[in-house]
Amino acid sequence: DTGVSQNPRHKITKRGQNVTFRCDPISEHNRLYWYRQTLGQGPEFLTYFQNEAQLEKSRLLSDRFSAERPKGSFSTLEIQRTEQGDSAMYLCASSFGLAGGELFFGEGSRLTVL
Amino acid sequence: AQTVTQSQPEMSVQEAETVTLSCTYDTSESNYYLFWYKQPPSRQMILVIRQEAYKQQNATENRFSVNFQKAAKSFSLKISDSQLGDTAMYFCAFMLPQGGSEKLVFGKGTKLTVNP
Repeated sequence: DTGVSQNPRHKITKRGQNVTFRCDPISEHNRLYWYRQTLGQGPEFLTYFQNEAQLEKSRLLSDRFSAERPKGSFSTLEIQRTEQGDSAMYLCASSFGLAGGELFFGEGSRLTVL
Repeated sequence: AQTVTQSQPEMSVQEAETVTLSCTYDTSESNYYLFWYKQPPSRQMILVIRQEAYKQQNATENRFSVNFQKAAKSFSLKISDSQLGDTAMYFCAFMLPQGGSEKLVFGKGTKLTVNP
């Protein structure tokens, strides 16, 4: 499968714990995005990378959230000291970075904070 | 900031019928891109159709077409000959071109159910 891969697909954790999600984009893609989606809502932008450079971060991305893409390939999204409000689906997408180009989405990582 | 509004939280249509999903957006930019993405239940989001704002001709992809009204900032999706597999959440989205903030801004979505 050469699509966008996200792991783990589902994570259940207790409030206050740290969690990390991984995204493996389509290999030729230099652009990588993270979105958060809560039930019944559209995806909300969190951050995106051009290769290893983080170009934009949403104000939604509090200081408990950090994302990296160290070698311009896979990316990790870490949430420290999780809160119940962090429960959501975390979506990763990648693209060639062309103007107005299609984003290819993974199946998402669902976080449940108890 | 750009915003996208989808005023129909849920819609239903009979198989083989035609349905139109509404979307409006707000921007002060003249050049941008508009998209419709489909998210089937428990599946990943996929692109349905894409429109470049500087192109007056409405985009079409097989049974899917858009009605792009730039002055009204409206971008509706028409699905013809609806099929059971069209059942999904549909999201309208907006993107600025290179040099702008190159992220997709999504609406809240419309849940479409196609009934047999």
